[in-house]
Amino acid sequence: GESVGLHLPTLSVQEGDNSIINCAYSNSASDYFIWYKQESGKGPQFIIDIRSNMDKRQGQRVTVLLNKTVKHLSLQIAATQPGDSAVYFCAENRDGGSQGNLIFGKGTKLSVKP
Amino acid sequence: SQTIHQWPATLVQPVGSPLSLECTVEGTSNPNLYWYRQAAGRGLQLLFYSVGIGQISSEVPQNLSASRPQDRQFILSSKKLLLSDSGFYLCAWSVRTVKETQYFGPGTRLLVL
Repeated sequence: GESVGLHLPTLSVQEGDNSIINCAYSNSASDYFIWYKQESGKGPQFIIDIRSNMDKRQGQRVTVLLNKTVKHLSLQIAATQPGDSAVYFCAENRDGGSQGNLIFGKGTKLSVKP
Repeated sequence: SQTIHQWPATLVQPVGSPLSLECTVEGTSNPNLYWYRQAAGRGLQLLFYSVGIGQISSEVPQNLSASRPQDRQFILSSKKLLLSDSGFYLCAWSVRTVKETQYFGPGTRLLVL
């Protein structure tokens, strides 16, 4: 069935390196995507979003890239810091925003080595 | 600024006991409100959402129920808990006009024994 998934369940990077977390989606009608960061024992924290009329969006140290051709979403974190260690989820909106229902991937765990 | 609160933070309950989890939002009016459950190592599962007072939509049939007695208050309840109800419960809100962007509360960890 259709789902939002992640290519890598775990990712380990060296402090100061760039991180890339990937996400595949299967519903070509999805028009809105969000990346969340969830630290252990806490609720997900909004990081950045992107709509389907864009290919790239940048925030503070983070960049989201959207490739609609292959239905792929990625989150790039520049100069990864220990505080970036968390589980990262992508989410897609499938119903055109009528209720704001999001479908979440299972997450990728990012570990930053000092 | 907007804030969202959930309590209790953690809860240990015996099987068959009732449940009441509360979520409140501050700093916004007429929000959409959501209840999610997150099982260990799994993604978020939408349980209920509400677009207004007394308006509840259920996504997954189960022994849980939700109510919205006030504009910024969302309650998750059960009459009799099951072992499978254990998990991390998250409340979220979104602005009525930007429904897709949801912001989450700190969560309640529920352990049913």
